[in-house]
Amino acid sequence: SQQGEEDPQALSIQEGENATMNCSYKTSINNLQWYRQNSGRGLVHLILIRSNEREKHSGRLRVTLDTSKKSSSLLITASRAADTASYFCATGEEYSTLTFGKGTMLLVSP
Amino acid sequence: DAMVIQNPRYQVTQFGKPVTLSCSQTLNHNVMYWYQQKSSQAPKLLFHYYDKDFNNEADTPDNFQSRRPNTSFCFLDIRSPGLGDAAMYLCATSRDSRGQGLVGYEQYFGPGTRLTVT
Repeated sequence: SQQGEEDPQALSIQEGENATMNCSYKTSINNLQWYRQNSGRGLVHLILIRSNEREKHSGRLRVTLDTSKKSSSLLITASRAADTASYFCATGEEYSTLTFGKGTMLLVSP
Repeated sequence: DAMVIQNPRYQVTQFGKPVTLSCSQTLNHNVMYWYQQKSSQAPKLLFHYYDKDFNNEADTPDNFQSRRPNTSFCFLDIRSPGLGDAAMYLCATSRDSRGQGLVGYEQYFGPGTRLTVT
C-alpha cells in the first residue's frame, strides 16, 4: 500500500513549543502533501513538496523530505492553540491519486 | 471567494433509504473527488471524475454511485445505506496537468457532510 503512516498518532504540547510530526511511506512518489483538518471539518492543504525537493517553508511550517528513507517531517514552530487539529500526509505515485495516512492529532494547550 | 460547497452539512437517513449528497465548486477545476472518512481514520477515496470520465476505486462498494452533470456539480448517491456507511463524506477538487497527473496539484476540500444512518 502507498498509504503514508504518521508518527506519533497523538501529540500534546504547550503554546509556544514546536511540534514535529513524521510521515513514512513505502514506494516511490511524485510528491508528498500535508493537510490539516480541524475537528468535524474538511481538510485544508498546507504544503506540497516534490520528490526532487528536500525542504520547504511556509510561514511557521517547515517540511522536509528524505526520499532515500521514504520519510517526511512537518515542523510547526511557536505553536498556538489554533494549531490544534489533525495533520495528514498524503502521497501519490505519478499519474495516480493521493493516498492519505491516518493522521497525527495535535493538541496545543494555552 | 472560490470554494467547494457541500450540502447538507448533516444528513440523517434510515437504514436502506437512498440518500444523495451534493457538492458544488466555483474553482472551475476539472477533477472532483469523493472521500469517505470514518472517525479517527484516513480519508478513503471512493471515486473521482476527470472531466466527465468516471473513475471508481476497486474497493468501493456498488452501493455507492456518483453523477457529475456539469463541471460545477457532483453528487454521491448511496442506494441502500447500511449502518457501516455512517461517516463523514468529503468532496474535493483539483486541477490537473497532463505533465503532473492527478497528484501534481493540491486538493481543495469542502466542509464535509456528516451522514448518520438510523
